[in-house]
Amino acid sequence: DSGVTQTPKHLITATGQRVTLRCSPRSGDLSVYWYQQSLDQGLQFLIQYYNGEERAKGNILERFSAQQFPDLHSELNLSSLELGDSALYFCASSIGGGANTGELFFGEGSRLTVL
Amino acid sequence: AQSVTQLGSHVSVSEGALVLLRCNYSSSVPPYLFWYVQYPNQGLQLLLKYTSAATLVKGINGFEAEFKKSETSFHLTKPSAHMSDAAEYFCAVRTLSGSARQLTFGSGTQLTVLP
Repeated sequence: DSGVTQTPKHLITATGQRVTLRCSPRSGDLSVYWYQQSLDQGLQFLIQYYNGEERAKGNILERFSAQQFPDLHSELNLSSLELGDSALYFCASSIGGGANTGELFFGEGSRLTVL
Repeated sequence: AQSVTQLGSHVSVSEGALVLLRCNYSSSVPPYLFWYVQYPNQGLQLLLKYTSAATLVKGINGFEAEFKKSETSFHLTKPSAHMSDAAEYFCAVRTLSGSARQLTFGSGTQLTVLP
């Protein structure tokens, strides 16, 4: 158990819809990362938050957005969903800041299926 | 920019045989390198990490990796494969983007262990 909690574990929805994925980081971790894993794209970095502020952006679509709340949990919002958005979405956390060697602790993922 | 390349998307070994999973890195700064393992329907779990200390790094489950600057490699090895080692393995490099630190992953290597 990594200490990172993601909900829901599975989600099935239709094209055009909007979903929200939730992540609770390990206790004490200030940084939250979102990754997308798909068969054709592999593991892609989407976005990072540190203590409530956006720190870095990767290959995140404009239809996607995220935020980190004062209690440090994070949500990833996916809108106008397309078939190609079907993937496993991982949240990871780390201590963050200068003490961060880069080691990430991953949740078990949220599997999104868009029909 | 930092990146890693994993050679071989699928590797098969017999139980008891040597496991060798290859990873080469590209980095303009001294790299921090990681190996993660992903078991079916689970999140990624850290196997080991290199953070510029000893070049031979020992990890969990009997795995180890050697950092070779001259070859820009960080290959993962295990002397004797076990059936439970069957999983997907990811090499990753810490990526620096301003003050942000994140991991950039390779495309993964699926390890199959044959009885």
